[in-house]
Amino acid sequence: KNQVEQSPQSLIILEGKNCTLQCNYTVSPFSNLRWYKQDTGRGPVSLTIMTFSENTKSNGRYTATLDADTKQSSLHITASQLSDSASYICVVSAGTYKYIFGTGTRLKVLA
Amino acid sequence: EAQVTQNPRYLITVTGKKLTVTCSQNMNHEYMSWYRQDPGLGLRQIYYSMNVEVTDKGDVPEGYKVSRKEKRNFPLILESPSPNQTSLYFCASSLSPMATYEQYFGPGTRLTVT
Repeated sequence: KNQVEQSPQSLIILEGKNCTLQCNYTVSPFSNLRWYKQDTGRGPVSLTIMTFSENTKSNGRYTATLDADTKQSSLHITASQLSDSASYICVVSAGTYKYIFGTGTRLKVLA
Repeated sequence: EAQVTQNPRYLITVTGKKLTVTCSQNMNHEYMSWYRQDPGLGLRQIYYSMNVEVTDKGDVPEGYKVSRKEKRNFPLILESPSPNQTSLYFCASSLSPMATYEQYFGPGTRLTVT
């Protein structure tokens, strides 16, 4: 069964600190892996997209890594800001047209 | 401004009363998709469309219908809504579903069926 699991479920950090979110997947066939940021009550916004051959991709203070052998990905947030408070969702594309979503990590950044 | 719009944003209805949630994109995207988001379950794909007149089922299509008569519009139809369809719905579009193309999401429609 295609599955995407994220950890931790929730995380609280102080402003300015770094954090790393984890994503493990069992999806076949694998096309690409995406990380989204979702503010409460709003649609997800894309942060990074990685294909099978990419190990790392950055978008400002967000850096995603992908290990296709172990089927693991991580999202590292550097120097967190209050505006980083949101849910972060890992999504794996199973072939061309289907997307499998993780349940997300809810991040809260405190001043 | 490039965007995906959904209407209505909020809807409260009763069991069995047919409703349509509209979705429109102004980016000339080929691929469009509908998702529902429920607490603890993440987003799940309902239906998707690869182009005009081409649609297919996602993971949770039961109780929903879609149509794609024009490239820009992809309405979601609930013929006979039931309480278990109470959810937050998102429409999304992409130039192509292929690997590096970004998927843009609408603002969401919160549906309550009593």
